Amino acid sequence: AQRVTQPEKLLSVFKGAPVELKCNYSYSGSPELFWYVQYSRQRLQLLLRHISRESIKGFTADLNKGETSFHLKKPFAQEEDSAMYYCALGSGTSYGKLTFGQGTILTVHP
Amino acid sequence: EAEVAQSPRYKITEKSQAVAFWCDPISGHATLYWYRQILGQGPELLVQFQDESVVDDSQLPKDRFSAERLKGVDSTLKIQPAELGDSAMYLCASRRDNRETQYFGPGTRLLVL
Repeated sequence: AQRVTQPEKLLSVFKGAPVELKCNYSYSGSPELFWYVQYSRQRLQLLLRHISRESIKGFTADLNKGETSFHLKKPFAQEEDSAMYYCALGSGTSYGKLTFGQGTILTVHP
Repeated sequence: EAEVAQSPRYKITEKSQAVAFWCDPISGHATLYWYRQILGQGPELLVQFQDESVVDDSQLPKDRFSAERLKGVDSTLKIQPAELGDSAMYLCASRRDNRETQYFGPGTRLLVL
């Protein structure tokens, strides 16, 4: 069975501090991992996906198959990063079912 | 920029009543998803369409929930009868193909009294 765990429901940091949002997954196949973000009063949107290996808004995430983790990191948090972040696991089929974690609310204080 | 549309945005109903939600995906997106998001949790897939066909409804409570996408474009999710535990946000998403991400609608927030 697929499972995604985000151990922190709330994470608070100060502006300019590093931030790491944790994500662990359970999946028997070849995983496809994503981070989605939801800013206040906006719809859920893709932040980044592991196969792209790119940095979006200063965020990066590395897939660690040994530790079954896909932690999201940013070296210097900004106030506009305050949002709800969801880690999601793709099913690997062509239809792309996503299994989401419970989400982490990130608050960046000035 | 094209977006997934959903209506209504909010719905309040009494238990045992019927309720329906509508989703219009981005034009050309063959795959359509309905998710339910209970407060404090992540979205959970209810049903998934490829064009007009259901490809995954394993998590859909079929005794009370139904979904259709008759012409392979817009979709309707229905609950009859609604129960208190159905109070949640119902999200629709669509995707063109497996090389692209899912695009989400704004959601319909349902409150069952």
